[in-house]
This record gives sequence, C-alpha cells and structure tokens, in this order.
Amino acid sequence: SYVLTQPPSVSVAPGQTARITCEGNDIGIKSVHWYQQKPGQAPLLVVFDDTDRPSGIPERFSGSNSVNTATLTISRVEAGDEADYYCQVWYSRSDHRVFGGGTKLTVL
Amino acid sequence: VQLQESGPGLVKPSETLSLTCTVSGDSISSYSWIWIRQPPWKGLEWIGFISNSGSANHNPSLKSRVTTLADTSKNQFFLKLTSVTAADTALYYCARARRDSSGYYYFDNWGQGILVTVSS
Repeated sequence: SYVLTQPPSVSVAPGQTARITCEGNDIGIKSVHWYQQKPGQAPLLVVFDDTDRPSGIPERFSGSNSVNTATLTISRVEAGDEADYYCQVWYSRSDHRVFGGGTKLTVL
Repeated sequence: VQLQESGPGLVKPSETLSLTCTVSGDSISSYSWIWIRQPPWKGLEWIGFISNSGSANHNPSLKSRVTTLADTSKNQFFLKLTSVTAADTALYYCARARRDSSGYYYFDNWGQGILVTVSS
C-alpha cells in the first residue's frame, strides 16, 4: 500500500517559517491536501490541491508538491498555529487512499 | 453544512458498531461522504466512503468488516463495522468529500467526532 511519511515533530519560534514535509513515491503526480488538528478538535482543511487555500485560511499557509515530497509552509508562525498537521492523498487504488502519520508543530 | 455523528459510545467485543451521520445545510445527494477514525493519540484512517451516486467502498485494511450506506430521505449516512475488537476503539468522524483537481477527493467539512470504546 501507499505510504506517506511525515516527520513526527517540527519546532519553530514565533515569527519564523515552519515547513512540514510529506514524502511519498511519485507524490508529485497526486493532489495533496493538508489538515490542521488542534487538541480536542476535528481536523480542519488548510490546503487542498497542493497549493489552494479554503476561504478563511490565512495566506500564511501555503503548499507545494514536487516529485517525491509535498510541503506545507506556514509563514510568520503564531502560537495559535500549534497543532498536529496531516497530509492526505486519494487515488484510484483503495490502498493509495491514505493520510500521513501526522506532524506535531510546536511553537517555541 | 454541518455534520453530526451519533451512536453508542460503548460496544462489546465481537459485536457491531453502528454510527449515523446527520447532515444539515446541504443535500447528501450532492456530494460524496466518508467515515474517518482516529485511535487515541494516533493518526487518521479512512474507513468507508460513499459517493453521491450511492456506490460505496472501504479501506481494504478492514477486510470487509465495513458497510457504508446512505438514506437520502433522512439526509443521513451510516457506518457499520462488524466483529469489533479493542483495536477499533477510536474517535469516529464523518466528513464531506469534495473532488480535487485530479478527480479524486479531499475532506472539507467534518463532524465533531464521536468516541467509541470497545470493551466488555
């Protein structure tokens, strides 16, 4: 089955840029979506189709996808961005419909 | 659109877990829908998916224990998971599925989740 690999944790100081990666074989040919999950809350879609933001999501959240790595970038990180982040792809094969393992973003 | 999960919070081992997702603010016939679960302190796993045409499929890792159905007259869709074990203890979410640019799916609206514990 298809596997998406994320780093377990990323730490960044307020005001700096956080980059959370999602690695998968040929992920560049798939559409990648990102979710933010704060403690006690349901996941929230923050980026879809590699680079697009739903309405209401700040421009500080952006995404990219190339070859074997997709990246969620959060600029000018704020304390309120502290959360778990998950990447996700959906493909024709049922075993290629997966979430990454999640990355805990800590704001120092 | 709002989604609300409902069902028993405690299920005995070997029994069937049954959950309902009630959708308001949109017709379930207009979109596809999905069940996703999250074991305590772990990541997200999709369980069952039902398209707006009514076709359903499930995560192959669950070995056909999953049934996903919809009732358009009630604007609800359902999850049944048979032969549960402690490993099925999780927070269960229902969500709306939207087509992505590749023709596949992402999930833009989620319910608040319901905790289901499998225990005797």
